[in-house]
Amino acid sequence: LAKTTQPISMDSYEGQEVNITCSHNNIATNDYITWYQQFPSQGPRFIIQGYKTKVTNEVASLFIPADRKSSTLSLPRVSLSDTAVYYCLVGDPLNSGGGADGLTFGKGTHLIIQP
Amino acid sequence: IAGITQAPTSQILAAGRRMTLRCTQDMRHNAMYWYRQDLGLGLRLIHYSNTAGTTGKGEVPDGYSVSRANTDDFPLTLASAVPSQTSVYFCASSEGLGRGYTFGSGTRLTVV
Repeated sequence: LAKTTQPISMDSYEGQEVNITCSHNNIATNDYITWYQQFPSQGPRFIIQGYKTKVTNEVASLFIPADRKSSTLSLPRVSLSDTAVYYCLVGDPLNSGGGADGLTFGKGTHLIIQP
Repeated sequence: IAGITQAPTSQILAAGRRMTLRCTQDMRHNAMYWYRQDLGLGLRLIHYSNTAGTTGKGEVPDGYSVSRANTDDFPLTLASAVPSQTSVYFCASSEGLGRGYTFGSGTRLTVV
Protein backbone atom coordinates (compact mmCIF):
# COMPACT_ATOMS: atom_id res chain seq x y z
CA LEU A 1 0.00 0.00 0.00
CA ALA A 2 1.36 3.37 -1.01
CA LYS A 3 2.95 5.48 1.70
CA THR A 4 4.43 8.91 1.21
CA THR A 5 7.45 10.64 2.69
CA GLN A 6 7.88 14.41 2.59
CA PRO A 7 10.18 16.85 4.36
CA ILE A 8 8.59 18.09 7.57
CA SER A 9 9.39 21.73 6.82
CA MET A 10 11.01 24.01 4.25
CA ASP A 11 11.95 27.68 4.16
CA SER A 12 12.27 29.99 1.19
CA TYR A 13 11.98 33.64 0.21
CA GLU A 14 9.54 35.66 -1.81
CA GLY A 15 10.11 35.46 -5.55
CA GLN A 16 11.96 32.14 -5.39
CA GLU A 17 10.90 28.87 -6.98
CA VAL A 18 10.13 26.20 -4.40
CA ASN A 19 10.29 22.47 -5.08
CA ILE A 20 8.82 19.99 -2.61
CA THR A 21 9.58 16.34 -3.24
CA CYS A 22 7.45 13.41 -2.14
CA SER A 23 8.65 9.81 -2.11
CA HIS A 24 6.18 7.01 -2.80
CA ASN A 25 8.18 3.88 -3.50
CA ASN A 26 5.18 1.54 -3.38
CA ILE A 27 2.92 3.44 -5.74
CA ALA A 28 0.45 1.17 -7.55
CA THR A 29 -0.37 1.12 -11.23
CA ASN A 30 -3.76 2.79 -10.77
CA ASP A 31 -2.59 5.41 -8.28
CA TYR A 32 -2.65 9.11 -9.01
CA ILE A 33 -0.47 11.68 -7.25
CA THR A 34 -2.28 14.67 -5.82
CA TRP A 35 -1.05 17.69 -3.90
CA TYR A 36 -3.03 19.82 -1.49
CA GLN A 37 -2.44 23.10 0.29
CA GLN A 38 -3.79 23.86 3.74
CA PHE A 39 -3.90 27.16 5.59
CA PRO A 40 -4.59 27.32 9.34
CA SER A 41 -8.24 26.81 10.29
CA GLN A 42 -9.18 25.83 6.74
CA GLY A 43 -9.71 22.57 4.92
CA PRO A 44 -7.10 21.37 2.44
CA ARG A 45 -7.36 22.81 -1.06
CA PHE A 46 -6.61 20.83 -4.20
CA ILE A 47 -3.56 22.15 -6.07
CA ILE A 48 -2.64 19.70 -8.79
CA GLN A 49 -2.93 16.05 -9.77
CA GLY A 50 -0.97 13.87 -12.16
CA TYR A 51 -0.27 10.33 -13.21
CA LYS A 52 3.04 10.59 -15.08
CA THR A 53 5.51 13.03 -16.70
CA LYS A 54 4.60 16.67 -16.14
CA VAL A 55 1.42 18.49 -15.33
CA THR A 56 1.10 22.27 -15.16
CA ASN A 57 -1.74 24.53 -14.14
CA GLU A 58 -2.07 28.18 -13.21
CA VAL A 59 -0.54 27.77 -9.75
CA ALA A 60 1.97 24.91 -9.88
CA SER A 61 3.74 22.21 -11.83
CA LEU A 62 4.03 18.56 -10.94
CA PHE A 63 6.97 16.52 -12.15
CA ILE A 64 6.75 12.74 -12.07
CA PRO A 65 9.69 10.60 -13.24
CA ALA A 66 9.18 7.50 -15.35
CA ASP A 67 9.34 5.09 -12.38
CA ARG A 68 6.72 7.19 -10.53
CA LYS A 69 8.39 6.49 -7.18
CA SER A 70 8.62 10.16 -6.38
CA SER A 71 7.07 13.43 -7.45
CA THR A 72 8.00 17.09 -7.14
CA LEU A 73 5.62 19.96 -6.64
CA SER A 74 7.06 23.15 -8.07
CA LEU A 75 5.73 26.54 -6.99
CA PRO A 76 7.06 29.37 -9.19
CA ARG A 77 7.88 32.74 -7.64
CA VAL A 78 6.38 32.17 -4.23
CA SER A 79 4.89 34.91 -2.09
CA LEU A 80 4.20 35.24 1.62
CA SER A 81 0.69 33.90 1.03
CA ASP A 82 2.13 30.57 -0.06
CA THR A 83 3.10 29.86 3.53
CA ALA A 84 1.04 26.75 4.29
CA VAL A 85 1.20 23.00 4.80
CA TYR A 86 1.48 20.99 1.58
CA TYR A 87 0.32 17.39 1.42
CA CYS A 88 1.26 14.73 -1.09
CA LEU A 89 -1.42 12.10 -1.55
CA VAL A 90 -1.06 8.88 -3.53
CA GLY A 91 -4.02 6.70 -4.25
CA ASP A 92 -6.73 5.56 -6.56
CA PRO A 93 -9.83 7.71 -5.99
CA LEU A 94 -11.89 5.13 -7.84
CA ASN A 95 -11.00 2.41 -5.36
CA SER A 96 -11.55 3.70 -1.86
CA GLY A 97 -11.99 0.22 -0.50
CA GLY A 98 -9.42 -2.47 0.10
CA GLY A 99 -7.40 -0.36 2.51
CA ALA A 100 -7.43 3.32 3.25
CA ASP A 101 -3.70 4.00 2.84
CA GLY A 102 -4.27 5.45 -0.57
CA LEU A 103 -6.40 8.12 1.03
CA THR A 104 -4.01 8.91 3.88
CA PHE A 105 -2.54 12.39 3.86
CA GLY A 106 0.37 12.05 6.22
CA LYS A 107 1.84 15.01 8.08
CA GLY A 108 2.68 17.21 5.12
CA THR A 109 5.41 19.78 4.55
CA HIS A 110 5.19 23.09 6.37
CA LEU A 111 6.45 25.68 3.89
CA ILE A 112 7.45 29.03 5.34
CA ILE A 113 8.05 31.93 2.98
CA GLN A 114 10.01 34.88 4.29
CA PRO A 115 10.20 38.42 2.88
CA ILE B 1 -24.75 26.23 -0.97
CA ALA B 2 -21.57 25.99 -2.99
CA GLY B 3 -19.29 23.02 -2.51
CA ILE B 4 -19.37 21.34 0.88
CA THR B 5 -21.15 22.64 3.94
CA GLN B 6 -20.30 21.36 7.41
CA ALA B 7 -22.23 22.05 10.60
CA PRO B 8 -21.72 23.02 13.29
CA THR B 9 -18.58 25.14 12.85
CA SER B 10 -17.56 24.35 16.40
CA GLN B 11 -18.99 22.52 19.38
CA ILE B 12 -18.14 21.82 23.00
CA LEU B 13 -19.56 18.47 24.02
CA ALA B 14 -19.76 16.69 27.35
CA ALA B 15 -18.17 13.26 27.44
CA GLY B 16 -20.71 10.47 26.99
CA ARG B 17 -23.05 12.56 24.86
CA ARG B 18 -24.11 11.65 21.35
CA MET B 19 -23.25 14.05 18.54
CA THR B 20 -23.82 14.12 14.79
CA LEU B 21 -21.63 16.22 12.54
CA ARG B 22 -23.40 17.20 9.35
CA CYS B 23 -21.93 17.32 5.87
CA THR B 24 -23.79 18.30 2.70
CA GLN B 25 -22.46 18.72 -0.82
CA ASP B 26 -24.16 20.17 -3.88
CA MET B 27 -21.73 18.91 -6.51
CA ARG B 28 -23.34 15.48 -6.98
CA HIS B 29 -20.03 13.82 -6.19
CA ASN B 30 -20.27 10.07 -5.71
CA ALA B 31 -17.51 9.67 -3.12
CA MET B 32 -17.47 11.32 0.30
CA TYR B 33 -15.06 11.13 3.22
CA TRP B 34 -14.62 12.10 6.85
CA TYR B 35 -11.17 13.02 8.20
CA ARG B 36 -9.97 14.15 11.57
CA GLN B 37 -6.97 16.41 11.99
CA ASP B 38 -4.91 16.51 15.15
CA LEU B 39 -1.78 18.53 15.81
CA GLY B 40 1.29 16.61 14.74
CA LEU B 41 -0.71 13.74 13.22
CA GLY B 42 -1.93 15.23 9.97
CA LEU B 43 -5.23 14.19 8.41
CA ARG B 44 -6.53 10.72 9.15
CA LEU B 45 -9.41 9.03 7.36
CA ILE B 46 -12.31 7.96 9.61
CA HIS B 47 -14.91 6.63 7.16
CA TYR B 48 -15.64 6.91 3.47
CA SER B 49 -18.45 6.26 1.02
CA ASN B 50 -17.91 5.46 -2.64
CA THR B 51 -21.56 6.01 -3.53
CA ALA B 52 -24.95 6.44 -1.90
CA GLY B 53 -25.88 3.35 0.11
CA THR B 54 -22.31 2.17 0.73
CA THR B 55 -19.76 3.05 3.42
CA GLY B 56 -16.36 1.80 4.51
CA LYS B 57 -13.93 2.13 7.38
CA GLY B 58 -10.81 4.24 7.17
CA GLU B 59 -7.72 4.40 9.33
CA VAL B 60 -9.40 5.46 12.61
CA PRO B 61 -13.07 4.34 12.56
CA ASP B 62 -13.53 3.30 16.20
CA GLY B 63 -16.14 5.36 18.05
CA TYR B 64 -17.61 6.78 14.84
CA SER B 65 -20.39 5.73 12.49
CA VAL B 66 -21.62 7.11 9.18
CA SER B 67 -24.55 6.70 6.84
CA ARG B 68 -25.10 7.61 3.20
CA ALA B 69 -28.81 7.62 2.51
CA ASN B 70 -28.44 9.89 -0.53
CA THR B 71 -25.74 11.46 -2.70
CA ASP B 72 -25.65 14.81 -0.95
CA ASP B 73 -25.46 14.00 2.76
CA PHE B 74 -22.83 12.14 4.77
CA PRO B 75 -23.34 12.59 8.53
CA LEU B 76 -20.76 11.44 11.07
CA THR B 77 -22.04 10.26 14.45
CA LEU B 78 -20.19 9.93 17.73
CA ALA B 79 -22.38 7.58 19.78
CA SER B 80 -20.74 8.36 23.10
CA ALA B 81 -18.10 11.05 22.89
CA VAL B 82 -14.75 10.73 24.67
CA PRO B 83 -12.06 13.40 25.20
CA SER B 84 -9.73 11.69 22.68
CA GLN B 85 -12.25 12.61 19.98
CA THR B 86 -11.42 16.27 20.48
CA SER B 87 -10.25 17.26 17.01
CA VAL B 88 -11.02 19.20 13.87
CA TYR B 89 -13.23 17.17 11.55
CA PHE B 90 -13.21 17.67 7.79
CA CYS B 91 -15.69 16.32 5.31
CA ALA B 92 -14.59 15.90 1.69
CA SER B 93 -16.01 14.69 -1.60
CA SER B 94 -14.65 13.55 -4.93
CA GLU B 95 -16.18 12.95 -8.31
CA GLY B 96 -13.71 10.14 -8.88
CA LEU B 97 -12.12 9.46 -12.25
CA GLY B 98 -8.76 10.61 -10.92
CA ARG B 99 -10.05 13.94 -9.64
CA GLY B 100 -8.95 15.58 -6.39
CA TYR B 101 -11.04 16.10 -3.32
CA THR B 102 -13.05 19.12 -2.28
CA PHE B 103 -12.99 19.80 1.46
CA GLY B 104 -15.40 21.55 3.77
CA SER B 105 -14.24 24.21 6.19
CA GLY B 106 -14.26 21.84 9.15
CA THR B 107 -15.93 21.34 12.52
CA ARG B 108 -13.89 21.99 15.63
CA LEU B 109 -15.09 19.59 18.33
CA THR B 110 -14.01 19.72 21.95
CA VAL B 111 -15.09 16.87 24.24
CA VAL B 112 -14.82 17.70 27.94
